[in-house]
Amino acid sequence: DQQVKQNSPSLSVQEGRISILNCDYTNSMFDYFLWYKKYPAEGPTFLISISSIKDKNEDGRFTVFLNKSAKHLSLHIVPSQPGDSAVYFCAALSGGSNYKLTFGKGTLLTVNP
Amino acid sequence: ETGVTQTPRHLVMGMTNKKSLKCEQHLGHNAMYWYKQSAKKPLELMFVYNFKEQTENNSVPSRFSPECPNSSHLFLHLHTLQPEDSALYLCASSQPGQAYEQYFGPGTRLTVT
Repeated sequence: DQQVKQNSPSLSVQEGRISILNCDYTNSMFDYFLWYKKYPAEGPTFLISISSIKDKNEDGRFTVFLNKSAKHLSLHIVPSQPGDSAVYFCAALSGGSNYKLTFGKGTLLTVNP
Repeated sequence: ETGVTQTPRHLVMGMTNKKSLKCEQHLGHNAMYWYKQSAKKPLELMFVYNFKEQTENNSVPSRFSPECPNSSHLFLHLHTLQPEDSALYLCASSQPGQAYEQYFGPGTRLTVT
C-alpha cells in the first residue's frame, strides 16, 4: 500500500506559466516532507522541504504548500523554465524513524519553450 | 571526485552471475543507503548503514548482500538474481539521523537476463 502518492505520472506546461505538482499521503505520522528533482542519468537532488508545523515554504521560484487536514501537498514552480523539465519526487519522513524516507512514484514535468 | 559516485553506471548480468555494485561518498557522511527503483514504482529503501553498522534491512531477499567496509564505501553484492530485479539502484549518504538531507549518486542501471 503506497503511503505517498503522486497520481499524475506526467505534466506538460508552457514556459513562463505555473507548474503545480501534487502529492497525497496516508500516514498521519509523517511530519516532514521533501521534494526531489531528478534529471535523466543523474540521482535525485533535494529541491525544497516543509515541516508539518508550517503550511507554506518558499524558495525563489519554488513554493511548497501543505494541507495537513487533507494530507496533501503541492509544489508550485513559477515561472516555469525549460530547465525545470525533470522527474519530481515527493517524499515524506516520520519523526519516529528519521532515517527512512518514503517516496512517491514521481511526476515527469515537461516545460515547453 | 565530489559528492556520491556509483560504479558501474550500467550492468547486464545473467541469472547465474555474481557481480557487485560500488558506491563511494566524498562528503564526510557516516550514514549510507541503498535504494531500488523499479519501472513505475517509487524508490524503495533497501538497506541503511550508520557508522558501518547495518541498521535497516527492508525485507530484502538474501540474493542482495550489502557490505560497508568504512563510512565512505558501500557495496551491494549480487548473486542468482531474477529478471524482476532489473531496476535502477541508487546509493545515498547523509549524516546519521539526517535522512532529510540525503545526497544521491547517479545510480546503476541493472538488467538481469
